[in-house]
Amino acid sequence: KAGVTQTPRYLIKTRGQQVTLSCSPISGHRSVSWYQQTPGQGLQFLFEYFSETQRNKGNFPGRFSGRQFSNSRSEMNVSTLELGDSALYLCASLTSGKETDTQYFGPGTRLTVL
Amino acid sequence: AQSVAQPEDQVNVAEGNPLTVKCTYSVSGNPYLFWYVQYPNRGLQFLLKYITGDNLVKGSYGFEAEFNKSQTSFHLKKPSALVSDSALYFCAVRDYTSGTYKYIFGTGTRLKVLA
Repeated sequence: KAGVTQTPRYLIKTRGQQVTLSCSPISGHRSVSWYQQTPGQGLQFLFEYFSETQRNKGNFPGRFSGRQFSNSRSEMNVSTLELGDSALYLCASLTSGKETDTQYFGPGTRLTVL
Repeated sequence: AQSVAQPEDQVNVAEGNPLTVKCTYSVSGNPYLFWYVQYPNRGLQFLLKYITGDNLVKGSYGFEAEFNKSQTSFHLKKPSALVSDSALYFCAVRDYTSGTYKYIFGTGTRLKVLA
């Protein structure tokens, strides 16, 4: 089975722009979670989508949003970028079957905001 | 709310020596605990998990972890470290609050294995 894929792997944007990141979960996995990883804050949970619905949300401003499509692929959008949004954005997929408790991560998208 | 703590930012160990990366947790109820490893410019890779049962859990790449309920710890161990084990290690707990699950990660411990 193919693993979790994320595109693009690297992005450079300037302040005020917006960005969209994409995540394709492992085939058959219906849950996708997004995390922000920074050296100072570690992994911070952004949100989780399951069957096209946001099931859970972390403590991030409304500039961070997401959605999930019927094929379980998910996108994350950040509007009005700030310097502090520079981070590695990770997505993780989770099956709804027997192994419902283990998240599998993609390689991440490294976002740099200038 | 549940939480995990990784008290060491960095652990140095000589190649061939045993290694331990520490993790303590705070939960209500029975914990679901996980260890992940992250290599440079990569995502997190699942190593092992504890759900229930045997307190010693074996995982990938020769790693194991010991669940200790009385000490609320879930330390990661390996009998003989390799230079290639050098990476960032994360402990995580699954939190169940208000009818939904969240995964809470520790701050990470950087392991350096010295040749």
